[in-house]
Amino acid sequence: KNEVEQSPQNLTAQEGEFITINCSYSVGISALHWLQQHPGGGIVSLFMLSSGKKKHGRLIATINIQEKHSSLHITASHPRDSAVYICAVLTSGSRLTFGEGTQLTVNP
Amino acid sequence: DAGITQSPRHKVTETGTPVTLRCHQTENHRYMYWYRQDPGHGLRLIHYSYGVKDTDKGEVSDGYSVSRSKTEDFLLTLESATSSQTSVYFCATLGGEGQPQHFGDGTRLSIL
Repeated sequence: KNEVEQSPQNLTAQEGEFITINCSYSVGISALHWLQQHPGGGIVSLFMLSSGKKKHGRLIATINIQEKHSSLHITASHPRDSAVYICAVLTSGSRLTFGEGTQLTVNP
Repeated sequence: DAGITQSPRHKVTETGTPVTLRCHQTENHRYMYWYRQDPGHGLRLIHYSYGVKDTDKGEVSDGYSVSRSKTEDFLLTLESATSSQTSVYFCATLGGEGQPQHFGDGTRLSIL
């Protein structure tokens, strides 16, 4: 079993829908990251959080440390949100352990 | 992003040849990482560095070596490439704990 599990693996939505991607982890962490990878491969950091909730535009990330669970929400989804979303946890020192990613496709 | 340049961006080579990938950063970040990304596995850490000449192995380090003689450069070497090393390789940097990692654009390596 992977230390970081994401669900779903694939998600297709219609433009405007509210989207949730989940991440569960089984190890102690100091922080959790959400990353976005667009077709063409570039990876960008969306959020880094260790408690509570963060919001940036239409994106919201939450974490529950006791339940070892995080969610990434996208409100009013748009085709340009189509990408792979990756959850990663910071464990010992400065090393990240990654989930396999969630492929999101938003249709117009 | 964060001044990270990977070279080459694409490479095709034959089994048994040596290959070196370069990661160059302009942000003076202390930590540097090499990952590989394969379908069904996500990103996996190959090697990382926490300073000049200070490196350590990641979870998939067999068949790879690294060197960091300057803060700005982190080299990944495949001494004798094998087909199982066909992958997309990402370099990343981290300025310090509590900061997000910044990723290069990736190198697509095909070993025939």
